[in-house]
Amino acid sequence: AQSVTQPDIHITVSEGASLELRCNYSYGATPYLFWYVQSPGQGLQLLLKYFSGDTLVQGIKGFEAEFKRSQSSFNLRKPSVHWSDAAEYFCAVVSPASGGSYIPTFGRGTSLIVHP
Amino acid sequence: GAVVSQHPSWVICKSGTSVKIECRSLDFQATTMFWYRQFPKQSLMLMATSNEGSKATYEQGVEKDKFLINHASLTLSTLTVTSAHPEDSSFYICSARDREANQPQHFGDGTRLSIL
Repeated sequence: AQSVTQPDIHITVSEGASLELRCNYSYGATPYLFWYVQSPGQGLQLLLKYFSGDTLVQGIKGFEAEFKRSQSSFNLRKPSVHWSDAAEYFCAVVSPASGGSYIPTFGRGTSLIVHP
Repeated sequence: GAVVSQHPSWVICKSGTSVKIECRSLDFQATTMFWYRQFPKQSLMLMATSNEGSKATYEQGVEKDKFLINHASLTLSTLTVTSAHPEDSSFYICSARDREANQPQHFGDGTRLSIL
């Protein structure tokens, strides 16, 4: 079955430290990949996306993500975390082979806690 | 950038009443809109997918007579929670997207529904 896994429920980092949030997927073909961020009581904001081409994609707020086909992963990174980055992060996947429905699948989310 | 407006942001009402939530794409045409429900500290649960001018496709376990979805135009979809009860209290989020699978979803800010 197709699935999206975010193995870390919580991640705690100190302000200024680097960050990596993990996302793995299981799909037959290379899917379209997205990372979103959700602040408390808010909707989701798109950070970045990958369709094809360069496997390292840059997003907003200093985030980047790298697609690794061999590992079926699309991990989100940031070199220096700011206190305002504390939020919930969701990885999402859309399979282009889904018969035209293109329904996205979300991971369960990773809660980022930033210590001063 | 693409903006999705969701209204109201918070509603409190008595058990047995019906509540309508609106989702509008302000600067793009949304051929597909999604409705999600989110429980505290959890990921998004897809309730239904609607394409403009056609009936919504509901996910398994979602009562279509309970959660009425209308997508009459390319910029507006509505979710009506009929005869709401306390167990329907939740955070409801809509998103909008063009038909293409590689286009990201753009999310509204969500509606906090509290049924007394």
